[in-house]
Amino acid sequence: SQTIHQWPATLVQPVGSPLSLECTVEGTSNPNLYWYRQAAGRGLQLLFYSVGIGQISSEVPQNLSASRPQDRQFILSSKKLLLSDSGFYLCAWSGVQGGSQPQHFGDGTRLSIL
Amino acid sequence: GQQVMQIPQYQHVQEGEDFTTYCNSSTTLSNIQWYKQRPGGHPVFLIQLVKSGEVKKQKRLTFQFGEAKKNSSLHITATQTTDVGTYFCAGAPGNMLTFGGGTRLMVKP
Repeated sequence: SQTIHQWPATLVQPVGSPLSLECTVEGTSNPNLYWYRQAAGRGLQLLFYSVGIGQISSEVPQNLSASRPQDRQFILSSKKLLLSDSGFYLCAWSGVQGGSQPQHFGDGTRLSIL
Repeated sequence: GQQVMQIPQYQHVQEGEDFTTYCNSSTTLSNIQWYKQRPGGHPVFLIQLVKSGEVKKQKRLTFQFGEAKKNSSLHITATQTTDVGTYFCAGAPGNMLTFGGGTRLMVKP
């Protein structure tokens, strides 16, 4: 069966520090991968999605970047964090059949910027 | 841009009462999906509807997809405290899934 791993679960970072969040998927090949951010009590904001290695699409201009160095690895990064980068970051995968397929989420990372 | 709108944003109910959340799109959807996010957790896929007018049930949950494939609803009969959480619909107006803003359900025991 497919599983998705996301870490760390929580992270407290100072403003201006770098960020690297990692997500890996097991049990499937060539998944579509997604990074979302969720503010407290709010909906899901799609940040990036990827349909293959090295292929990244950005949905909103921001202080963050994403990379997909391997088929089942998706990384969210920042060189300098802002206060507004606080939130709950969720990685998700869906099947290769297309972007309208059901998505399966990792446990998320709660990021607090001080 | 293309959006999927969901109402209400919040709903408080007494345990045992029914609950319904509605999802609407300005464009035809290829499918509609529903997710549940428990407090402190991550969204979990519940179900997908594909056909016009489709109705599916999962125990006390009833999911409907409109005839025009532009709207959907989730109805919970006789809510329980375990139903607490945020329910998201998600549809694909184009080739990408778009999530609604969610309905947060609170149940008073």
